[in-house]
Amino acid sequence: EAQVTQNPRYLITVTGKKLTVTCSQNMNHEYMSWYRQDPGLGLRQIYYSMNVEVTDKGDVPEGYKVSRKEKRNFPLILESPSPNQTSLYFCASSLSIKGSTEAFFGQGTRLTVV
Amino acid sequence: AQSVTQPDIHITVSEGASLELRCNYSYGATPYLFWYVQSPGQGLQLLLKYFSGDTLVQGIKGFEAEFKRSQSSFNLRKPSVHWSDAAEYFCAVGIQRKDSSYKLIFGSGTRLLVRP
Repeated sequence: EAQVTQNPRYLITVTGKKLTVTCSQNMNHEYMSWYRQDPGLGLRQIYYSMNVEVTDKGDVPEGYKVSRKEKRNFPLILESPSPNQTSLYFCASSLSIKGSTEAFFGQGTRLTVV
Repeated sequence: AQSVTQPDIHITVSEGASLELRCNYSYGATPYLFWYVQSPGQGLQLLLKYFSGDTLVQGIKGFEAEFKRSQSSFNLRKPSVHWSDAAEYFCAVGIQRKDSSYKLIFGSGTRLLVRP
């Protein structure tokens, strides 16, 4: 089954403790991205990757890092989480970088930083 | 600046009634338009999309949307709502960056509640 898999689904952590949210897709998609969803703001793009070893900042990249060592994986790293990073995070992938291409989303990771 | 506006935060309809969710966008070029649905605890699922051609597009689950360039709108409709349609709905515009990558700009979402 074609899917985008995120882990963990839920995470509670303390301020400053490094964490990684994994994202994997099995559709051989080139383009992957991370979004955060906050009430009243919709989804905002954090980082994106056009292909292996090619990543760039989205609209809200502060406090996050990503890597793309393999085509299928695109982990999101919070080196020193803070409470304002409490949010619902989605990984998405699409076949190409074209704006008309459908994005497939993971089920989300609900992160709470205390 | 590009933006997407969904003016209704919540909408409540009775089961079997018709539905229209509003979406307005601001974008200088021809937009790629999407509607996504998010059921509780789930990721986003694509309902339908518009790129060009017929301005009335059909999607899954009986939804349709109409692109009106003059009004910069892409409203989502369904003639008869089912209880399982209760969810949050997001309108999005796909825009191309200068580096040829693209991003989706989302509206803030409309939560649909369905009365029995």
